[in-house]
Amino acid sequence: ETGVTQTPRHLVMGMTNKKSLKCEQHLGHNAMYWYKQSAKKPLELMFVYSLEERVENNSVPSRFSPECPNSSHLFLHLHTLQPEDSALYLCASSPGLWGTQYFGPGTRLLVL
Amino acid sequence: QKEVEQDPGPLSVPEGAIVSLNCTYSNSAFQYFMWYRQYSRKGPELLMYTYSSGNKEDGRFTAQVDKSSKYISLFIRDSQPSDSATYLCAMSAGTSYDKVIFGPGTSLSVIP
Repeated sequence: ETGVTQTPRHLVMGMTNKKSLKCEQHLGHNAMYWYKQSAKKPLELMFVYSLEERVENNSVPSRFSPECPNSSHLFLHLHTLQPEDSALYLCASSPGLWGTQYFGPGTRLLVL
Repeated sequence: QKEVEQDPGPLSVPEGAIVSLNCTYSNSAFQYFMWYRQYSRKGPELLMYTYSSGNKEDGRFTAQVDKSSKYISLFIRDSQPSDSATYLCAMSAGTSYDKVIFGPGTSLSVIP
């Protein structure tokens, strides 16, 4: 285990649902990240938080809304998603901003 | 030109073979180079971390960086079926302002 946990591990939702993904890191890191991983594509950076402040929003649609209440927890709130949003959503943390990143197991999301 | 390129494979080798996985990049500012291993339905796991040019060895794994050619490699000796996974290269210029850029990954199968 890497010290980064994600829940749920699998999620199926309709296009009108609202759901949230949760990430928790037990490594004492100061930076946390959300990535989207689709088949055959590089990891797509979505959001970056450093010391609980958002430092990067990589042109992500507003139907994805991040929240970082403290340096150990990161949420991704989802609403009115599209089928093309189906992917593996990965959370990572690093000691400092853009340091070596440690990943959670991911949440596999299917949007129907 | 993509910032980081990696042959997606799939690469299939017999057990015991030496495997060579490669990435090329375009940004000469990159100084930190990482290899991640990602098993099916899991998050990426940090495998090797190197700084600047040269070689680094860890058990059956050797990471090699050639900054003059903008080329990095991961060698796996005596490959095992448990090495079957997708291998992602990642790199960064190393400051807190520089993103980590990931390659798309190479899928490796080691056949018993």
